Amino acid sequence: ETGVTQSPTHLIKTRGQQVTLRCSSQSGHNTVSWYQQALGQGPQFIFQYYREEENGRGNFPPRFSGLQFPNYSSELNVNALELDDSALYLCASSSFGQASQETQYFGPGTRLLVL
Amino acid sequence: AQKVTQAQTEISVVEKEDVTLDCVYETRDTTYYLFWYKQPPSGELVFLIRRNSFDEQNEISGRYSWNFQKSTSSFNFTITASQVVDSAVYFCALSENNFNKFYFGSGTKLNVKP
Repeated sequence: ETGVTQSPTHLIKTRGQQVTLRCSSQSGHNTVSWYQQALGQGPQFIFQYYREEENGRGNFPPRFSGLQFPNYSSELNVNALELDDSALYLCASSSFGQASQETQYFGPGTRLLVL
Repeated sequence: AQKVTQAQTEISVVEKEDVTLDCVYETRDTTYYLFWYKQPPSGELVFLIRRNSFDEQNEISGRYSWNFQKSTSSFNFTITASQVVDSAVYFCALSENNFNKFYFGSGTKLNVKP
């Protein structure tokens, strides 16, 4: 148990719709990262939020957007859903230090199916 | 260009065999961080180890060991005396500089047969 929770666990949407996924970070963590993991592939970094600001972004189009709240929980929003957006979406929380052995702790994921 | 390459897509071994999972990374940063994660069939990624670029000591944790070689940009993972419970997909990952981007390899699926 990492203490990172995600909701919903599963979701089915149709092409063109919008979706919001939610993540509650582990207590004491101020950073949340989102990943997309297509079937049989490694997680692809979408973006990271640190203290409510976007802190880094991968190669994803602007229709992927996010928010982080004062309690450090986060949302991932995807507009104009495409079939290729079908994937497992993972949230990870962290509080990194350079000299420590800290890492990011992953939630169980939300499996999104776009029809 | 792939920042993290795991060339072994799938490996099958018999229980008690030793197995090494390869990871090659690419970065221009002088400070970076390497990770290994395990993803069992349940789907949740489990942290195994983090290695800082400025700390080249190899590490052993029980049956697990990691060999970090900056000269060859590799961070290989060995499981000694493998067990059926080690069956999972293993990912190597790289983070540069300020931890604000992460790059995962495509994963190696390990099958340990009884």
